[in-house]
Amino acid sequence: EADIYQTPRYLVIGTGKKITLECSQTMGHDKMYWYQQDPGMELHLIHYSYGVNSTEKGDLSSESTVSRIRTEHFPLTLESARPSHTSQYLCASSEAGSLMNYGYTFGSGTRLTVV
Amino acid sequence: AQSVTQLGSHVSVSEGALVLLRCNYSSSVPPYLFWYVQYPNQGLQLLLKYTSAATLVKGINGFEAEFKKSETSFHLTKPSAHMSDAAEYFCAVSKPGGSYIPTFGRGTSLIVHP
Repeated sequence: EADIYQTPRYLVIGTGKKITLECSQTMGHDKMYWYQQDPGMELHLIHYSYGVNSTEKGDLSSESTVSRIRTEHFPLTLESARPSHTSQYLCASSEAGSLMNYGYTFGSGTRLTVV
Repeated sequence: AQSVTQLGSHVSVSEGALVLLRCNYSSSVPPYLFWYVQYPNQGLQLLLKYTSAATLVKGINGFEAEFKKSETSFHLTKPSAHMSDAAEYFCAVSKPGGSYIPTFGRGTSLIVHP
């Protein structure tokens, strides 16, 4: 049973709207990550955080921003959605020092469609 | 830089047949290797991992993978496919000593026919 929750599961929104994708975990994990997933493509890391008030950009250039004010919460915001942002967004977490032992815990994802 | 190649975007097997999903990696140092599974409308779940211990790694749901350094491979196998194995499978590689953040492959969709 997942201990990391993403809302909403599905979102259809118009171009230019501001949106926030929510991600919360109840495991007390220090590290959290956002990935973008498109069919037939590698998962691309767009943001990560190693703890409160720590955020870094990932390998994939993204117009989104993130914040980490609380350990359990790692929201991702798009200030002005565009059709190119249509994708699935996956949130993940890992305990500090345990990524090699336990891997990531993933949420179920948010499928975003921008029309 | 590290990279992963998964050969075959789709693999189709009959129920009860051997499952073989291929993964080759590129890494400048002995890597850590992972297989994740993604069922429809769900996130990824760790199947198994190789972290420089035994080269034959057993995971959940009867899957196993063998690390072969000479072939730079980490293929995933299961002796007998079940319908419930139908899912997307991702191989990932991570470089020890760094951030450990893995690089994922493009995934292989496993289709199981009755």
